[in-house]
Amino acid sequence: EAQVTQNPRYLITVTGKKLTVTCSQNMNHEYMSWYRQDPGLGLRQIYYSMNVEVTDKGDVPEGYKVSRKEKRNFPLILESPSPNQTSLYFCASRLGLAGKETQYFGPGTRLLVL
Amino acid sequence: GQNIDQPTEMTATEGAIVQINCTYQTSGFNGLFWYQQHAGEAPTFLSYNVLDGLEEKGRFSSFLSRSKGYSYLLLKELQMKDSASYLCAVRDTLGSGGYQKVTFGTGTKLQVIP
Repeated sequence: EAQVTQNPRYLITVTGKKLTVTCSQNMNHEYMSWYRQDPGLGLRQIYYSMNVEVTDKGDVPEGYKVSRKEKRNFPLILESPSPNQTSLYFCASRLGLAGKETQYFGPGTRLLVL
Repeated sequence: GQNIDQPTEMTATEGAIVQINCTYQTSGFNGLFWYQQHAGEAPTFLSYNVLDGLEEKGRFSSFLSRSKGYSYLLLKELQMKDSASYLCAVRDTLGSGGYQKVTFGTGTKLQVIP
């Protein structure tokens, strides 16, 4: 089954404790993105990757890091989480640029930073 | 950058028709998507428009006017399960290195009542 998986689905942590949210897709997609979703602000892109070892900042990259060492994986790293990073996070992937080809979203990770 | 506007909330009656509008401003337009998102879940793809006109898919239709920067999603024969948020997203060609970014509106929360 074609899918994007994220782990963990739920996480409660404390300020300053490094964490990683994993994302994996089995569709051989080149493009992957991380979004955060907050009430009234919609989905905002954090980072994206166009291929292995090619990553770039989205609209809200501060406080986050990513890596793309393999095509299927795109982990999101919070080196020193802060309460303003409490949010619902989605990983997404898509094959390419053109046409009606859409993004496929993971199930989401709900993060609470105390 | 992009500016995408859609109503925050709408209410409609089961069995009725509802139209959700989306206006956008971008200088590199390359497609518009509609997604459905149930509370706490991932967005799922509904429709795609890149040329002017109406795209129909079962109970759901989407319309685009590029000259007016306007789209709408039409839901017919509303069912209780259609209660969800509906996200308008615009793709443009303005990203660096050939990346075509997709920007999301804040979503319209639709409540279907009996």
